[in-house]
Amino acid sequence: AQTVTQSQPEMSVQEAETVTLSCTYDTSESDYYLFWYKQPPSRQMILVIRQEAYKQQNATENRFSVNFQKAAKSFSLKISDSQLGDAAMYFCAYRSRSGGGADGLTFGKGTHLIIQP
Amino acid sequence: DVKVTQSSRYLVKRTGEKVFLECVQDMDHENMFWYRQDPGLGLRLIYFSYDVKMKEKGDIPEGYSVSREKKERFSLILESASTNQTSMYLCASSLDGIVSNYGYTFGSGTRLTVV
Repeated sequence: AQTVTQSQPEMSVQEAETVTLSCTYDTSESDYYLFWYKQPPSRQMILVIRQEAYKQQNATENRFSVNFQKAAKSFSLKISDSQLGDAAMYFCAYRSRSGGGADGLTFGKGTHLIIQP
Repeated sequence: DVKVTQSSRYLVKRTGEKVFLECVQDMDHENMFWYRQDPGLGLRLIYFSYDVKMKEKGDIPEGYSVSREKKERFSLILESASTNQTSMYLCASSLDGIVSNYGYTFGSGTRLTVV
């Protein structure tokens, strides 16, 4: 079974600064997907960014980028130019590619990100 | 805009009651999921369904059952609610197929309190 570990229960960053959230995972599979989700106080889970394991290039979405290290099984999220609206719980998640989409996501325990004005 | 809708945002039930949590999606997704979210534990998969009338146990199915009579609707059932089932419940759906690399679309959650 796969496991996802987020070692930082809480992180704090000044507005406009850069912050990196850590995520490691354990799997015996070679092909899979990794995701970062954001959950603001509204509780709506929002997909921030995704990475296919077979792609070497790190995914980027505007101010959000990942550092995907497949050999180290590491998938960190970097948020540049932090904004007050980035304050939320962030969850790292893993999904097997072999399941055809029917398998559930495996989540980490989350990192609470605080943005200091 | 595509949506996953959970019927209740907040729910308070008594111990021993039978509780139904409803989830409807309008995206014609094959797969639907129920997660439970607790502080410090993240999200844990309770049950999922990959087709009408099909269901599979997730990581923590004990004390729960599900029903999927129509493609768009996936219900979570607590046969006899207990206080340790007080939690946030999140429904999600996804497309099928290996080629699908999408994440899942989530509902806004139901915060259930069992007293």
